[in-house]
Amino acid sequence: EVQLVQSGAEVKKPGESLKISCKGSGYSFTSYWIGWVRQMPGKGLEWMGIIYPGDSDTRYSPSFQGQVTISADKSISTAYLQWSSLKASDTAMYYCARSLSGTTFSYWGQGTLVTVSS
Amino acid sequence: NFMLTQPHSVSESPGKTVTISCTGSSGSIASNYVQWYQQRPGSAPTTVIYEDNQRPSGVPDRFSGSIDSSSNSASLTISGLKTEDEADYYCQSYDSSNLVVFGGGTKLTVL
Repeated sequence: EVQLVQSGAEVKKPGESLKISCKGSGYSFTSYWIGWVRQMPGKGLEWMGIIYPGDSDTRYSPSFQGQVTISADKSISTAYLQWSSLKASDTAMYYCARSLSGTTFSYWGQGTLVTVSS
Repeated sequence: NFMLTQPHSVSESPGKTVTISCTGSSGSIASNYVQWYQQRPGSAPTTVIYEDNQRPSGVPDRFSGSIDSSSNSASLTISGLKTEDEADYYCQSYDSSNLVVFGGGTKLTVL
């Protein structure tokens, strides 16, 4: 069974760093892209970027380029999304999702809620 | 920038059929695959249609997708509406650089 299991909810202060994770199982982790999607409170889905764990090829949405870093550790079948300095506006639910082509998503993680507040 | 536009909300009665549109801002929407995702309140999205009109296993055949090149739009049609279909629906495609784009989402109310 394909599963994407994300790390738990986080509460952080502005300026702090954060790295959240998405662990894949039930399939060949290095053969599928993992994308990250933001959903701000009460808003729609926004594509942030995507990584191919097989060779670490990474693409970012222009809206998120330079704001976050996407990475993966194929030895433990885990992808990451990280911030070096959080802002209150980073408060959102973040989803990871699996893609064969890099452009369509088949399986989704359960989401990680990030709250940034002083 | 390539954008996808959806109606903010639609509503229909149980047992009826509803269609949700997704209009591309430029180019031909038929050039790249369109996907549809369902998001029930408090849950992660799930895929109901991929590659324009393909249903993942487990998705009932009440869900169907189509492309209309003349209006540069994609459509999700749900027939035999059930109260469990009440959710937000998002279309998704990608641009010429393979950057992913989501529509703004449509809230479906089944009343």
